[in-house]
Amino acid sequence: QQPVQSPQAVILREGEDAVINCSSSKALYSVHWYRQKHGEAPVFLMILLKGGEQKGHEKISASFNEKKQQSSLYLTASQLSYSGTYFCGTAVGNTPLVFGKGTRLSVIA
Amino acid sequence: EPEVTQTPSHQVTQMGQEVILRCVPISNHLYFYWYRQILGQKVEFLVSFYNNEISEKSEIFDDQFSVERPDGSNFTLKIRSTKLEDSAMYFCASTEQGMATGELFFGEGSRLTVL
Repeated sequence: QQPVQSPQAVILREGEDAVINCSSSKALYSVHWYRQKHGEAPVFLMILLKGGEQKGHEKISASFNEKKQQSSLYLTASQLSYSGTYFCGTAVGNTPLVFGKGTRLSVIA
Repeated sequence: EPEVTQTPSHQVTQMGQEVILRCVPISNHLYFYWYRQILGQKVEFLVSFYNNEISEKSEIFDDQFSVERPDGSNFTLKIRSTKLEDSAMYFCASTEQGMATGELFFGEGSRLTVL
């Protein structure tokens, strides 16, 4: 069952912050975050394993609340290069990743 | 940096024709996958492959689809008789450790257009 992402789309001005949420009805083993720019392949951002850890990648970080089966991706001080569609992918055990429908992020000057 | 390579980058075919999409995963990876993405939509899992056999497949992966690892480097997806709704971008991906803990490396994709 695919995870649910919100919001579907967001428009930011450079320097603004955004939060993208991902939730699942199933107990998760891991949550993955990918960014896809138009016409390109998805690119790995980070993986969070169960344990509630928060990870960081430049100005992009994420948290994973395994009790709520939710993950959030935090983008701070957004840059034009952050524009793209962000997908969360969830795995139950060592099952293949199932991706959400994506959140389209547009950063404007 | 090692990468997943896919060929062709774009293929146009007539409905009912057979298509083979090719992938060369990263050499030390053990788990291979095919995903597809219809234009503007989410990335959908098709099939996973480990130890020379299919480990999981989705409901999309019906009898018209097959995968093969004919040699030590290539991983192919065959669509036996293409339909209009097979038009999509097909991504091959591989990972070293398995999906739950490993980073999934995607190829650049093969765009399939069925007329």
